[in-house]
Amino acid sequence: NTKITQSPRYLILGRANKSLECEQHLGHNAMYWYKQSAEKPPELMFLYNLKQLIRNETVPSRFIPECPDSSKLLLHISAVDPEDSAVYFCASSQEINRETNERLFFGHGTKLSVL
Amino acid sequence: GDSVTQMQGQVTLSEDDFLFINCTYSTTWYPTLFWYVQYPGEGPQLLLKVTTANNKGISRGFEATYDKRTTSFHLQKASVQESDSAVYYCVRPFPPMPNYNVLYFGSGTKLTVEP
Repeated sequence: NTKITQSPRYLILGRANKSLECEQHLGHNAMYWYKQSAEKPPELMFLYNLKQLIRNETVPSRFIPECPDSSKLLLHISAVDPEDSAVYFCASSQEINRETNERLFFGHGTKLSVL
Repeated sequence: GDSVTQMQGQVTLSEDDFLFINCTYSTTWYPTLFWYVQYPGEGPQLLLKVTTANNKGISRGFEATYDKRTTSFHLQKASVQESDSAVYYCVRPFPPMPNYNVLYFGSGTKLTVEP
């Protein structure tokens, strides 16, 4: 899937600050960050619709999302913790309204390894 | 509360075997149900969805019937191939409030198909 690009693909950090980037080329209005820990299903972190933060699950304050425009999503991480080691997926859907039962399109993910 | 349950963590089959992956749901309403598939190193992707209780979804040789009577949404395929090796997630929307396109993933079933 080259329609949602995420960078970097792999990230190895000590207790540093870093940003994950995502861009979707689908013209979608809603964008998501999901976290997938090893051997676990993806879990929602943040949901944006037309650049507005709509849903913010229980996520440590060291994770700060940013949506500079409707096609881009960033995830800033400060002072990472070993429990943050996971794959972070960006996803998008055409609309946010569940009534339309829109499918989500996921990127390839950024694998974060915390030393 | 509302949820989906996948009891099989891992399934190992040989090529051309019949596939059956169990999924049951609990709900106080009847949402769209989905199966997502995640191949190694990739993000999840939609395999099929069923929007109405007691209907069947079919895609790429896979099928699932949304059975309101038994509250099940089992995934089946008549003859698996090695390329079907992946993790399969039974998925439903988050509980009704608020009305956003947010997905709740079941625990997943890892399918390994041996040649």
